Amino acid sequence: GIQVEQSPPDLILQEGANSTLRCNFSDSVNNLQWFHQNPWGQLINLFYIPSGTKQNGRLSATTVATERYSLLYISSSQTTDSGVYFCAASHRDNYGQNFVFGPGTRLSVLP
Amino acid sequence: KAGVTQTPRYLIKTRGQQVTLSCSPISGHRSVSWYQQTPGQGLQFLFEYFSETQRNKGNFPGRFSGRQFSNSRSEMNVSTLELGDSALYLCASSLTSGPYNEQFFGPGTRLTVL
Repeated sequence: GIQVEQSPPDLILQEGANSTLRCNFSDSVNNLQWFHQNPWGQLINLFYIPSGTKQNGRLSATTVATERYSLLYISSSQTTDSGVYFCAASHRDNYGQNFVFGPGTRLSVLP
Repeated sequence: KAGVTQTPRYLIKTRGQQVTLSCSPISGHRSVSWYQQTPGQGLQFLFEYFSETQRNKGNFPGRFSGRQFSNSRSEMNVSTLELGDSALYLCASSLTSGPYNEQFFGPGTRLTVL
């Protein structure tokens, strides 16, 4: 199966700072998503990005499928950005919807 | 459009009991996947259902089972509960079961086994 790693495991920022979260995966993927888990446990979709670059407000993401990594950029961070960010991927040979999740990056944004 | 809904949101059971959790996907979505989240193991895939058939299964014991109905709603069942089954159970829906389909998650059911 595929392995998904995330770095850093923990990140503490001052409000207004920028950050980059990284996701490495061990094999080719046919699906990759970034999520933010809110304090109540719900996974909020940030990006569906098996390849390429997307932007949504202060957030953007880039997946370089040939080099097996994805990056999530958060600019001008706010306290509401705090939480755990997960990257999840599905192996290229998998024709179902069974994601492998990374261990997450816990982000704390201080006022 | 309504999102993925899960019921109940919280549940407390004792060891040896069984439990059934329910998930209603986004209208028009036909694939439902279940995941277990624990502090020690993180988020792990349980199984996926599409068109009332189990498409994929994760590495969980047979005590964990599921089914999907003709309206795409899904239930998962855990029999003979163990303390280690305490977890957040998340359900996700997607349009179909094939690749390149975005998954959307429900709010989860938090199960506590005493």
